[in-house]
Amino acid sequence: QKEVEQDPGPLSVPEGAIVSLNCTYSNSAFQYFMWYRQYSRKGPELLMYTYSSGNKEDGRFTAQVDKSSKYISLFIRDSQPSDSATYLCAMSSAGGTSYGKLTFGQGTILTVHP
Amino acid sequence: DGGITQSPKYLFRKEGQNVTLSCEQNLNHDAMYWYRQDPGQGLRLIYYSQIVNDFQKGDIAEGYSVSREKKESFPLTVTSAQKNPTAFYLCASFSGKVADTQYFGPGTRLTVL
Repeated sequence: QKEVEQDPGPLSVPEGAIVSLNCTYSNSAFQYFMWYRQYSRKGPELLMYTYSSGNKEDGRFTAQVDKSSKYISLFIRDSQPSDSATYLCAMSSAGGTSYGKLTFGQGTILTVHP
Repeated sequence: DGGITQSPKYLFRKEGQNVTLSCEQNLNHDAMYWYRQDPGQGLRLIYYSQIVNDFQKGDIAEGYSVSREKKESFPLTVTSAQKNPTAFYLCASFSGKVADTQYFGPGTRLTVL
């Protein structure tokens, strides 16, 4: 079983829809949670970064972390065709020998059509 | 502009040849990482370095080698021992600060002919 599970999709939605992307994980030591967006043939760019449980909002994007359920989500409101990309969840534990090492999900391919 | 650069963007190699992928950063980050990305498999860690002249194997280090002679540079060599080297290679760096995370370069697409 992988440490981080992410549904690879692909996910196709109409413009304006609310998109929900999710990851589950098994390692209870994870405390830092990230969502990266990756356009085709480009490097991933950091979209959202959260620590421990709770919500974080940035414009149309909301990240949720539920450590008790080992479940994280990314919501995209009023989705746009420019949101079409692969979304990668990533997480890490704190300090020690981990030193910023990230464990990634497989990535979910999202297409928003006009 | 601060950032991470990778070169070349596309690289073609014949079987049996070693090739070296370049990664440079001017963010003054201590740690640097190399990942391999294949369709449907996410990012897999090849090697990482926390400090100059030191590096550790990641999950899939076989057939790869690295060096870290300068803080700014972390080149990756794909050797002929790597059985399936065709992939998208990503370099990342990290400041080491608690509230920070990894930032990625634009990637190099390696194709073995």
